[in-house]
Order: sequence, then structure tokens, then C-alpha cells
Amino acid sequence: EAGVAQSPRYKIIEKRQSVAFWCNPISGHATLYWYQQILGQGPKLLIQFQNNGVVDDSQLPKDRFSAERLKGVDSTLKIQPAKLEDSAVYLCASSYAAGTSYNEQFFGPGTRLTVL
Amino acid sequence: DAKTTQPPSMDCAEGRAANLPCNHSTISGNEYVYWYRQIHSQGPQYIIHGLKNNETNEMASLIITEDRKSSTLILPHATLRDTAVYYCIGGAGSYQLTFGKGTKLSVIP
Repeated sequence: EAGVAQSPRYKIIEKRQSVAFWCNPISGHATLYWYQQILGQGPKLLIQFQNNGVVDDSQLPKDRFSAERLKGVDSTLKIQPAKLEDSAVYLCASSYAAGTSYNEQFFGPGTRLTVL
Repeated sequence: DAKTTQPPSMDCAEGRAANLPCNHSTISGNEYVYWYRQIHSQGPQYIIHGLKNNETNEMASLIITEDRKSSTLILPHATLRDTAVYYCIGGAGSYQLTFGKGTKLSVIP
């Protein structure tokens, strides 16, 4: 079974530029998550989708971050404009469905963003 | 979600059992205990979860105290490939995972 795919794996940009990350979840997984992981910390949830609807985006800095999941499959996360503090690894994860008795999330390899 | 407390780091000799503790004294009755690990430069990987009973799978065993205020993840025969950051997470059954800083386990040859 193919895992969660993310691209690009690495990205270097200058502050105030924009950047986009792409995620393809495991086939059949209804729930998709985007996390931000700053060096030395655990991942922090940014946004959760159930199919193509947003379940929770309370920790997404909406003045600069946006995310969409058209057709309930692939997802993109965008930052515009980027700040130095956005330097982090951006992880995408998927799970079969919310509402099941457990919540095993499958993570992609992440995109390492460096903002100069 | 329940707040969890883990030691920042631990060492374990290769081939020995690694016992990783976690305190989750504020866990509520319907919250599971999840364990994930993150090997360097990879995304987190699910290990095991439990509610009240002890659990075992091909990767590890999870021992939960009767009062559910703490748990221990046991890797029975640690290998160098088990070197990773281990996260203990308390959360309601099907939704979000709130990661802390975890325990950095170093398996020593």
C-alpha cells in the first residue's frame, strides 16, 4: 500500500515570498491533517479535513496560511507571505475516518521549509 | 486532550528492553493513550494505543496502570533502529493528536 506522499521535500525561500506544499493521502482515507513541526518540538496540528470539509483550523494562522482539499483527495497548504518563524517541517497525515474507535494517523515524510 | 509528561531522554542497551514511562494524570475516562515515534527526518509512526487494558502488538507492549494516570511503553528487545523520539499522547478516540516534546530514546550498541 502506498503511503502518504508529499512534495517538495525541501524548499528554501526568502521572507515575504509565497510557497505551496502538496499532499496525496493514502487511498480511501477520508481525514487529512497538516502539521507544523518546529525544530526540537513535537508536531502541531494546523488544520484537519474530513473529506473536502474543514473540521478544525483553529491553530492555522489564517492571515498568511491557507489550505484546501478539493474533491476530498489531494490537499495543498500555502503560505503567503512567509515569515522567518515559518521555518519548519510541514507534515501531512491521513487516517481512515474520524468517528472510528481509534485514530491511527499515517504521516508523510514532510516538507522542510527554510525561510531566509 | 490530556496533558502528558515524559522524560526528555533515555538510553537503552541494544538487545535489552526499553521501558518508556508517561504520566497522564488528567486523562479522562474516554480518552485513549497513543504512542507514536519519530525516527530522524521521517514523519511520526503509530506504535500502539490503549484505553484501560494492557495491549501488545508486533512492535511493543503498553502497560496502563489501573488508575490510568500513567503508562509504560515497552520495546522488548531494543535495536539500533529503535533510536527515535517517542511521543505519548492522551486523546479522545478519533480526533486530534496533541504532541508534546516526547522522549528521545538512544539505543546504544
